[in-house]
Amino acid sequence: DTAVSQTPKYLVTQMGNDKSIKCEQNLGHDTMYWYKQDSKKFLKIMFSYNNKELIINETVPNRFSPKSPDKAHLNLHINSLELGDSAVYFCASHNRDANTGELFFGEGSRLTVL
Amino acid sequence: DAKTTQPNSMESNEEEPVHLPCNHSTISGTDYIHWYRQLPSQGPEYVIHGLTSNVNNRMASLAIAEDRKSSTLILHRATLRDAAVYYCILRGWGTSGSRLTFGEGTQLTVNP
Repeated sequence: DTAVSQTPKYLVTQMGNDKSIKCEQNLGHDTMYWYKQDSKKFLKIMFSYNNKELIINETVPNRFSPKSPDKAHLNLHINSLELGDSAVYFCASHNRDANTGELFFGEGSRLTVL
Repeated sequence: DAKTTQPNSMESNEEEPVHLPCNHSTISGTDYIHWYRQLPSQGPEYVIHGLTSNVNNRMASLAIAEDRKSSTLILHRATLRDAAVYYCILRGWGTSGSRLTFGEGTQLTVNP
């Protein structure tokens, strides 16, 4: 069983479109994240939700809107897509206050904006 | 978040040990040292973590300097599957709980 699953795995779209990426975890974790990995391979944290509450919101354009309907799901909606949004987006989860704190990542969603 | 410094790349031969260094001179007393790796076209995966003492698990060993300003990830016998980018990360604690801030990592090449 996949622990952290993201859909779609690949997404190709035109500039100006609106798209969503979904993430689900079946590990019972209370905290989920979105990371962005650009072409230079830097992994940057974007958002984090703990029990459906937004706790980390990095300097991200407000075209990006995360939504967490429950603690097992964290979706990412992007409005008015731009070329610079092309990247691989990773979802991750863990239990926030656990000392081990092992972060489990999904396989990534590769977004290409043309 | 405290910063880590790693070499951009390292090379090793298959079945030989690999020592991946990391400097974190601004580490605070409550920061855990985490290592993750990212295989090609996959998401990062957890390798090991520690606070003060050296740690061993089935994947690797983590040696932490006594002053905690540096650490070394040790792969005892490198395999081709170990070729990946290895990230040394300090897990800091803030009002929003802990977060993991990834640096540039070390690209490990394993030669057959």
